[in-house]
Amino acid sequence: TQLLEQSPQFLSIQEGENLTVYCNSSSVFSSLQWYRQEPGEGPVLLVTVVTGGEVKKLKRLTFQFGDARKDSSLHITAAQPGDTGLYLCAGEEGNNRLAFGKGNQVVVIP
Amino acid sequence: DADVTQTPRNRITKTGKRIMLECSQTKGHDRMYWYRQDPGLGLRLIYYSFDVKDINKGEISDGYSVSRQAQAKFSLSLESAIPNQTALYFCATSATGRLNEQYFGPGTRLTVT
Repeated sequence: TQLLEQSPQFLSIQEGENLTVYCNSSSVFSSLQWYRQEPGEGPVLLVTVVTGGEVKKLKRLTFQFGDARKDSSLHITAAQPGDTGLYLCAGEEGNNRLAFGKGNQVVVIP
Repeated sequence: DADVTQTPRNRITKTGKRIMLECSQTKGHDRMYWYRQDPGLGLRLIYYSFDVKDINKGEISDGYSVSRQAQAKFSLSLESAIPNQTALYFCATSATGRLNEQYFGPGTRLTVT
C-alpha cells in the first residue's frame, strides 16, 4: 500500500480566514480524491483529480493535483463553520484500490 | 433513503463472540468494500469485492471474513471478536470505470469488551 501523508494533522482557524492543507506521497497515483467526513458519518466524496497540474474548484474549495501526480492541496477561501470536518485524501493504486491518508482535521471557529 | 446502509449502527459485544455487520446498497454499483477506521491510523481496507463471485483480502483481513450474498449486499463477520477490533467500520461502493470514486455508508461503531 502506498503511503499518503497529510499535513497539518489538525488546524483551527477563525471564520472568514483562508486555509490550505496538503496531501503528499513519494508514489505516483493515477488519480487522487478528496473526501470530507463529519462526526458520526461516513466520508463524502468532494472531488477527483486525474491530470498532473489539474485545478478544480467547488464553491470556496480549490483542489490542485501536483504536476508529477504525487501530491495535492486543498485550499478553502473564507472558511465557514460548515467547513469543519476531517478531510481525507485517497490515491488510486494500480490494483483498483484506494490508499487513504490519515486526514486533516479542520475546525472553523465562528 | 440512503444509498448505502449499514446495520447495526452501534454494537457492544464481548470477547469471543461472533459478530456480523451488514451492508446494503441501492446505487447499482458492482464493487463493494469494508474498511475500519481507528484514531491516528486512518481508513484501512479489510476486504473488497468487484462482483458477486469475487472476494479479495485487503491490508488487514486477519480475524475477519466476508460474504457477498448479492450485488447489493456485502457482510463482514468477526468470527471471534477481540478488543483490538474495537473500531468504526465502514462499507463503501464504487462503479467499475468511474475512477474508483467511493460512496460510504454511515458506519458501525463496534466495541468489544
